[in-house]
Amino acid sequence: GAGVSQTPSNKVTEKGKYVELRCDPISGHTALYWYRQSLGQGPEFLIYFQGTGAADDSGLPNDRFFAVRPEGSVSTLKIQRTERGDSAVYLCASSRGQASSGANVLTFGAGSRLTVL
Amino acid sequence: QQQVKQSPQSLIVQKGGISIINCAYENTAFDYFPWYQQFPGKGPALLIAIRPDVSEKKEGRFTISFNKSAKQFSLHIMDSQPGDSATYFCAARTDQTGANNLFFGTGTRLTVIP
Repeated sequence: GAGVSQTPSNKVTEKGKYVELRCDPISGHTALYWYRQSLGQGPEFLIYFQGTGAADDSGLPNDRFFAVRPEGSVSTLKIQRTERGDSAVYLCASSRGQASSGANVLTFGAGSRLTVL
Repeated sequence: QQQVKQSPQSLIVQKGGISIINCAYENTAFDYFPWYQQFPGKGPALLIAIRPDVSEKKEGRFTISFNKSAKQFSLHIMDSQPGDSATYFCAARTDQTGANNLFFGTGTRLTVIP
């Protein structure tokens, strides 16, 4: 597609529920990133995929968070047993390749706003 | 621990004026410094970026000034326009293999008054 597409744009759930957030990156982009942006804050790194594998998951806050990218394109961020503190905008970004191959530009989607009641 | 510190938190500028946003970092391994612009309800979009081998980069009305010894960099928006009203984030990244995540500042909400 022309840009990074994220669904749903808004998700309201109850504490303890399971949620999935989807990211469809720009066609041909091999690198995919998930960030979390809390109100009034800058995006915080969660996880980075190069192809199908998670090359860096050091930003995932705990084991309730998990992400997959089984075919090297679409990615799903999964949050189990949601807590009120998980409320944030979850941003997905993609780029053509690895950062080490140059100043690869990250193109962000509009985000999925998660509200945990 | 905030890897990149950004100020001010908010900024109000008259149309035609100069907007200046400042950032500082500690990690000397950072070697790529982008600025992102974010409008409400949208994701951040790359505005301009610099590497530390140059002290200044200009693209149109937007200029990054970089001071490697002070570990500081700033964004200057010349002839600020109401359409520039947005939140601006500085960021930093090291291009070392395997370290691909951007560290963002906390953002500056810019309002340009007509």
